[in-house]
Amino acid sequence: DTAVSQTPKYLVTQMGNDKSIKCEQNLGHDTMYWYKQDSKKFLKIMFSYNNKELIINETVPNRFSPKSPDKAHLNLHINSLELGDSAVYFCASSQWGIQETQYFGPGTRLLVL
Amino acid sequence: SQQGEEDPQALSIQEGENATMNCSYKTSINNLQWYRQNSGRGLVHLILIRSNEREKHSGRLRVTLDTSKKSSSLLITASRAADTASYFCATDAANAGGTSYGKLTFGQGTILTVHP
Repeated sequence: DTAVSQTPKYLVTQMGNDKSIKCEQNLGHDTMYWYKQDSKKFLKIMFSYNNKELIINETVPNRFSPKSPDKAHLNLHINSLELGDSAVYFCASSQWGIQETQYFGPGTRLLVL
Repeated sequence: SQQGEEDPQALSIQEGENATMNCSYKTSINNLQWYRQNSGRGLVHLILIRSNEREKHSGRLRVTLDTSKKSSSLLITASRAADTASYFCATDAANAGGTSYGKLTFGQGTILTVHP
């Protein structure tokens, strides 16, 4: 009965590979987010989707492509992985216009070798 | 540029003492939120204070907001070893209509260690 779940929890891969991280929320929220936390614990928003529509797209390389098949899911696909992509990626969700609190998933630790 | 700046970067106290963390920001906000992150875990929402509020309480937490100084503080009273974690402030910028964009900008956090 986890509210926001992410898979996988850990991801170790080689430079140049393509990988996906999946996120699902069962809170009935209509907005979902992806954040990146670097090695210094700095957390920065990457994308957000409201009702499957992209509403926030920060300055992120176009190797990163979010996909929202429905309101409860927001996946992140990363092409041609680079060393600098190593980080912890967090998914979050909230209810637009009603509740600004965001609920975070446990994170996916990505290590690019 | 980073919106929230937190101070101190690290804080070490004994159980039972109070812990105070500060956050400064640069732009107009709709609200400011505090989150806790235990080592290797996701973020957990602690408390939200709106731009028209000055102080808010939740259990052992007390948050203040001074929009004229663009700063906030989080006070944890009677700390416990279980409070050991990183604490982040996050600002939710206001759009032209004064409502939320849903885009949180986080500070770099304060690492709190509470010794038993």
